[in-house]
Amino acid sequence: EAEVAQSPRYKITEKSQAVAFWCDPISGHATLYWYRQILGQGPELLVQFQDESVVDDSQLPKDRFSAERLKGVDSTLKIQPAELGDSAMYLCASSFRQTLDYGYTFGSGTRLTVV
Amino acid sequence: DAKTTQPPSMDCAEGRAANLPCNHSTISGNEYVYWYRQIHSQGPQYIIHGLKNNETNEMASLIITEDRKSSTLILPHATLRDTAVYYCIVRVAENYGQNFVFGPGTRLSVLP
Repeated sequence: EAEVAQSPRYKITEKSQAVAFWCDPISGHATLYWYRQILGQGPELLVQFQDESVVDDSQLPKDRFSAERLKGVDSTLKIQPAELGDSAMYLCASSFRQTLDYGYTFGSGTRLTVV
Repeated sequence: DAKTTQPPSMDCAEGRAANLPCNHSTISGNEYVYWYRQIHSQGPQYIIHGLKNNETNEMASLIITEDRKSSTLILPHATLRDTAVYYCIVRVAENYGQNFVFGPGTRLSVLP
């Protein structure tokens, strides 16, 4: 079964350092999403891409977070500088198209700990 | 997107049916009910979705009330591997730029 690949699986970084996460969606999935999940809460959307274009980044803290999907395939989410409150699971998901009759497929996530 | 209300936690005996309720009293006519689950340390997994008719797949059944204000996800024979957080979400299926909004969900514990 096709999967959404994410790396690294775990990341520990010091406050004020830069950190980056990578996501490779299922082949052919044009829509890609980055979610953040704080422990004990449901995931919340950070950014959505349609191919290489950002569709929604209204919840992305743009002073420190950036996301790109240059060729419309894989994507990178960056935090610079990291803060203690950024400790969370960062989840990537993809879907075949923006209609959701097929649902999303999520990756296993990157667990970030900022110390 | 319409809000949903789910109990924070539930227990179920292994082998028995697990019935997870969800209230969505403000659901609109074109909004679907989706269910996802999240096993510890993994990403959420799509389970099932429906509009107004009951739905069944290899994982679960979804029962939607006639007035569509509530629904129940049924796992017919729960196993220990079904222990997870279950999210009920309502939203339109075709909505450019709109996305799933996850609440806190129901933590289901399947007990041996």
